[in-house]
Amino acid sequence: QQQVKQSPQSLIVQKGGISIINCAYENTAFDYFPWYQQFPGKGPALLIAIRPDVSEKKEGRFTISFNKSAKQFSLHIMDSQPGDSATYFCAASGGFQKLVFGTGTRLLVSP
Amino acid sequence: EPEVTQTPSHQVTQMGQEVILRCVPISNHLYFYWYRQILGQKVEFLVSFYNNEISEKSEIFDDQFSVERPDGSNFTLKIRSTKLEDSAMYFCASSGGDEQYFGPGTRLTVT
Repeated sequence: QQQVKQSPQSLIVQKGGISIINCAYENTAFDYFPWYQQFPGKGPALLIAIRPDVSEKKEGRFTISFNKSAKQFSLHIMDSQPGDSATYFCAASGGFQKLVFGTGTRLLVSP
Repeated sequence: EPEVTQTPSHQVTQMGQEVILRCVPISNHLYFYWYRQILGQKVEFLVSFYNNEISEKSEIFDDQFSVERPDGSNFTLKIRSTKLEDSAMYFCASSGGDEQYFGPGTRLTVT
């Protein structure tokens, strides 16, 4: 029940395209859903996060869509750029508690 | 912009030796965490720390592990007797609320 399932495992998108990564959770106590971006050899960097009281949050080219009834959330990267090539992790937590991470998606944006 | 710092960036140790990984969280944060990431895998929670005590720990965080906040700025993770399977990236994170900010990590190699 603590798992967060993430798909796809890897993704190749052409420059300018839309990258979509999906996550699903089971624990209804989760109330905070961040996405992290990680480059090789670096720590996860907080990208964008959402709470379940809204269905969508947009920051620049990054959008989170949240479906509370389905217990799913997704990251959309619009106008994907080669510099977006990284591993993306979804995560979930409940109130100042540990983050439970998904398994990660390795994104490659081809020039 | 405030950031979490970690030292050393890379630690090589022999099996059975003790290691101490150090972190300086963001100064006004009150919640501190250690996570680890085995190469190519997801980020896993180890322990959370609040108000000078452990608030939660995972199954990974057994008696060989301990954490300490020896002064007002440092947060340390000690592994008493390292095993080969402890080889991983260790990330410190801190938060003042929901958002957790990660340090650059310490790569621990146990030989």
